[in-house]
Formats: sequence, C-alpha cells, structure tokens
Amino acid sequence: GAGVSQTPSNKVTEKGKYVELRCDPISGHTALYWYRQSLGQGPEFLIYFQGTGAADDSGLPNDRFFAVRPEGSVSTLKIQRTERGDSAVYLCASSQRDFATGTQYFGPGTRLLVL
Amino acid sequence: EDQVTQSPEALRLQEGESSSLNCSYTVSGLRGLFWYRQDPGKGPEFLFTLYSAGEEKEKERLKATLTKKESFLHITAPKPEDSATYLCAVQPFRFSGNTGKLIFGQGTTLQVKP
Repeated sequence: GAGVSQTPSNKVTEKGKYVELRCDPISGHTALYWYRQSLGQGPEFLIYFQGTGAADDSGLPNDRFFAVRPEGSVSTLKIQRTERGDSAVYLCASSQRDFATGTQYFGPGTRLLVL
Repeated sequence: EDQVTQSPEALRLQEGESSSLNCSYTVSGLRGLFWYRQDPGKGPEFLFTLYSAGEEKEKERLKATLTKKESFLHITAPKPEDSATYLCAVQPFRFSGNTGKLIFGQGTTLQVKP
C-alpha cells in the first residue's frame, strides 16, 4: 500500500516568513511523529500524536513551532517567523498501533531552506 | 541522559569485504533498539527491531545483534547496493508515561566499492 507522504518535497522561504509542512500517514496508522534532521545528523524528535492529540511535544524547540492533527489523520507542522537555523529536513513517521508495539515508518521528508 | 553513539562515522569496503557497524547506547530503560537504512534524499527505511540482550535478527546480508550496552549491524559479503547511511535508534522506557519517541545516533555512512 501507499507509504507516508509529505508535501512539499522542497520549500525555500525567506527569514521571517511562515511555512506549513504537511504529512499524510499510512492509512489506519493512529500514531504520528515529526522529526527534524540536520545535515550529517540523525533525526531529532519534535512531537508525537496519538489520534488527534499531541501526546508529547517536548521536542519542539520553541513556541514558533506548532503542529496539528485535527481529524487524526493528516498532520501539519507550522513554523512562524522562520530563521536560518530552521533549515533542515523535516521527517514524518507513522505507526500502526500505539508506541509500545508499532514500528515507525518514515516519509521522504520536506527539505526546508530558509534564506 | 539518553544517548546513542555510532561508529565509525564512515566506512569504505570492497565488495565482498564483511564488516560490522557499532551502536553504543545509554538509556535508563530500553523499550527497543531500531536499525534503519537511509539513502541520500530519502527518508529512513526500517530494517530491524531488537528488544532484549542476546536477540539477533537477520535480513539478507545484514544481521543485527544486541547487548545491554551496544548493538552491532554485521554486513556479510556486501554489494554496492548496500551503500547507504545506517541509523541506530533507541526507544526509551519511562514509568511516567511513554511516547515511543526514537533517539537516533548520527549514523554510519557505508560505501561499498565494486
């Protein structure tokens, strides 16, 4: 079946602008994760959704970052007043059941460049 | 503090030359250890999950093993198509509530030359 999809695949924006990144999880997966990956590094956890609610947002770096999942499927990561340091690949993952048993399957990522 | 360290950072092998990648971890409680493969410009692709010391899993030329402090990814007779970055991640266990978040190492970039 279809995997995790993310749009856009690439996003170039100017410092100070607002961006939205979208994640479409595997159908039927209840858990959804956002990670951020800088060049040469492993992914870094940002936020976890179980259903519609954010169960753990401890990885969000500051209040410019916000994510929603209003219907328990598609999720949007929102970044306000972007900074050059926000440039990275933003990865989304989903898992079939709860965190205890579900393998996380990743999407291709959105490459964000802030000029 | 939960931490994952992978070594070496980069590894070059000739086709057919077997080797191992190391993943050392420090975590207060381990729910699971994961190996992923990542090709350039792509998202991580799941390979294995290991849950307890002594456990081993195999897939084609890859075998993953786990001890209480580290995991190894053994590559037997690699081929050029095995070239990729291999990521190790731990999923911590928390009595106070678990989220399933993964803590990744920085990865080992493997290049296999024909």
